[in-house]
Amino acid sequence: QVQLVQSGAEVTRPGASVRISCKASGYTFTDYFIYWVRQAPGQGLEWMGFINPSGGSTTYAQNFQGRVAMTMDTSTRTVFMELSSLTSEDTAIYYCARGLRSTTCYWGQGTLVTVSS
Amino acid sequence: DVVMTQSPLSLPVTLGQPASISCRSSQSLVHSDGNTYLNWFQQRPGQSPRRLIYKVSTRDSGVPDRFSGSGSGTDFTLKISRVEAEDLGVYYCMQGSQPKYTFGQGTKLEIK
Repeated sequence: QVQLVQSGAEVTRPGASVRISCKASGYTFTDYFIYWVRQAPGQGLEWMGFINPSGGSTTYAQNFQGRVAMTMDTSTRTVFMELSSLTSEDTAIYYCARGLRSTTCYWGQGTLVTVSS
Repeated sequence: DVVMTQSPLSLPVTLGQPASISCRSSQSLVHSDGNTYLNWFQQRPGQSPRRLIYKVSTRDSGVPDRFSGSGSGTDFTLKISRVEAEDLGVYYCMQGSQPKYTFGQGTKLEIK
């Protein structure tokens, strides 16, 4: 069965970077984009961008341009999302997802990132 | 970016009664391929989001038929024919017609 398993919770300092992983299984890795969506405490969903595992091309939301990098390792079927220059406003649950737009949709379990001094 | 505006933001409902959520986009969501990529997601408290409907009106597998989606162009609606207790949570629309997707602010469905 399709699974997206994310790395564990992170606590980090303002100004630092964080890298979250999302390991895919149960399907052909290169056939589906992987999206990243975040949710600050008590807030709504915010689309961050996606990576195409077939080639590695990326598209990022304007709000994160220059501060986010989505990469992948096809040998381990893992996608990474790195966010830099963190502030307290980046404290959120970060989700990876497959098939947001029209194919069967799957979500990772979410990764809590806490930015605190 | 396309701005998605939902209303209402809070929707008190009586169990067994219908409910309706509106979603409007700042520009047409008709894609160059002819599809309209307007989706609805449900998020129950403490859970990851779950997609209910894609391409305006197609229900995802396992979604009860009391959920229906409609609309075109820039105006879309999610309807629940008879609200059940398990339907409580926050509902989001999302457009996938532009390269950079966007979500609505969310509508909290709660018991009246």
